[in-house]
Order: sequence, then C-alpha cells, then structure tokens
Amino acid sequence: DAEITQSPRHKITETGRQVTLACHQTWNHNNMFWYRQDLGHGLRLIHYSYGVQDTNKGEVSDGYSVSRSNTEDLPLTLESAASSQTSVYFCASSELAGPSDSQYFGPGTRLTVL
Amino acid sequence: TQLLEQSPQFLSIQEGENLTVYCNSSSVFSSLQWYRQEPGEGPVLLVTVVTGGEVKKLKRLTFQFGDARKDSSLHITAAQPGDTGLYLCAGATGNTPLVFGKGTRLSVIA
Repeated sequence: DAEITQSPRHKITETGRQVTLACHQTWNHNNMFWYRQDLGHGLRLIHYSYGVQDTNKGEVSDGYSVSRSNTEDLPLTLESAASSQTSVYFCASSELAGPSDSQYFGPGTRLTVL
Repeated sequence: TQLLEQSPQFLSIQEGENLTVYCNSSSVFSSLQWYRQEPGEGPVLLVTVVTGGEVKKLKRLTFQFGDARKDSSLHITAAQPGDTGLYLCAGATGNTPLVFGKGTRLSVIA
C-alpha cells in the first residue's frame, strides 16, 4: 500500500546543530508540504513543493530549508537548530494538480532542541 | 492573511451526547476540508465540501458548508469515545496551500 513515512520519529538535538528530517511518500504525489504543530498555533506551513526542483516558502520558513530532487522525498533541514524550533513536524502530500487537494499526512517527528 | 477560527477550542462531553463544532472565516473558500487527528498521529481527512450549502454525512458525522462558503460546521450525533481527537478544518482558495484552523479538541467520556 502507498504511504508517507517520516524519520526519525523522535529527535533530541542541541542548539546550533544542523538537523535534517526525512519525508518519503510512495503515492507518487507531485505536491509535498512541511508543517509544524504547536499548542495554541495549530498547523503552520513551513515549506512546500509542487514538483521536482520546485520549492516555496510558507508562513514560518525562517531557519528552515527544503530541496526536492525527486518525486518521493522532501527533506527538511534546520540549518542551526534553536529552542524555538522544538515542535512536532508533519510532512504531507497531495495528488491533484491543484495544491488545495486533500492532503495525506505522515505520522510526525517530535523534535526537541536543548 | 486568511484565517479560520474554530470554536469551541476544547469540548468535553459524555458518551451519547450530540455536539457541534464550528469553523468560521471572513474569507471565501473554494472548498473546505475537515480532518481528525488522534494523539501521536498525523491528521486524517474526513470530508471535503465544495459547494455553498452542501451537506455531507459520514455515519454519525454531518458536515455543512455555509451558503457564502465562509464557514462550516461539524455535527456529531450520539458521540462515542472513539470520536475523541483534534478536529481541524482547512480552507482552500485557488492554487494557494491549505489554511488550517487551530482545531477543536474533543474528549468523549464513557
């Protein structure tokens, strides 16, 4: 069955370190998204991609970067982790040409920055 | 910036009770989606509504899209403990990414 996976599921790191969160989908979806979820803020969009070599900034992109070299993967990199980036991160993908199509979410990565 | 306001923020009810949660905006959306998220998991799509005034039913869940396509409601009949979770609405306009509300956290007590 097609799926979307995230790794690691839990990560503890130190301030200033570079961290990369992986997202892999086997739906063959063009559109992929990264969100962070914090109490009181809901889901906030970090970066998104509508296809290979395409990346776009979301609402809270500062301190994060993504690259899309193939259809299946959209890794999220924290260049220099900060305590404010402690959060739960979700990756999602969607199928249709319109990016507002329903999204399939991964199980999330809980990141703690000490 | 388009905003979706969800109310109530928290809701705790007894098994068997009915409830309605709301999703409101000052913006018009081309479609609106409802997701449910259980602890430790990602959100899962429940329904998409696209036409003003549209009503969709999913077993004991009834979803309605407002006539002006600015608001939506989710009604649950005879709530069960399995309905416990975070309910998120998300609005779509054109080619912009989905805008999510902050969610309603529902707890159904047996």
